[in-house]
Amino acid sequence: AQKITQTQPGMFVQEKEAVTLDCTYDTSDPSYGLFWYKQPSSGEMIFLIYQGSYDQQNATEGRYSLNFQKARKSANLVISASQLGDSAMYFCAMREANFGNEKLTFGTGTRLTIIP
Amino acid sequence: SQTIHQWPATLVQPVGSPLSLECTVEGTSNPNLYWYRQAAGRGLQLLFYSVGIGQISSEVPQNLSASRPQDRQFILSSKKLLLSDSGFYLCAWKRIHYEQYFGPGTRLTVT
Repeated sequence: AQKITQTQPGMFVQEKEAVTLDCTYDTSDPSYGLFWYKQPSSGEMIFLIYQGSYDQQNATEGRYSLNFQKARKSANLVISASQLGDSAMYFCAMREANFGNEKLTFGTGTRLTIIP
Repeated sequence: SQTIHQWPATLVQPVGSPLSLECTVEGTSNPNLYWYRQAAGRGLQLLFYSVGIGQISSEVPQNLSASRPQDRQFILSSKKLLLSDSGFYLCAWKRIHYEQYFGPGTRLTVT
């Protein structure tokens, strides 16, 4: 079974609008972490935001926020006031806290295109 | 600040040829290091990770291998490349916190 599911292969959003990128996950581990990365056309993976499973509040980093709904096992990325430079692939990833586990499991990504 | 380097940036190699990709990290000590592969239009797949010199864990059995000869150096190798080895190879590091930071990547095409 997929551990990370991103159901939106592509999205088109008008500049300055807010956008929500969906991510659902599957784990039986009570301790885990969720990440969002941005991959522009250059290929480099850029860390955006992190949410721990025990964090009481939703993570925020500038224009990025993570809408963490633990009971629904979702961790959607919200980008406020989108900009042309936000056009990129976005990946959701999960780290399960098994002892010695260093593995990040990635979703298949969402290609976001911001329209001027 | 920390910096991660990868070279070469692009590589075209024939089937059956050897491979050596290098990754180095600056500005930190004793990082965890990772090799990922991204096939075209896909997410990332963890290949190897290392928590210290000479310590390598393999996630996916294949014809690739990794080595960590120095604290901040991580090398991905193959004795004989396959067509299926084509992809985008990313090195990443992690120090204390949970997030991993990625290098610029190497685009490998096996012909």
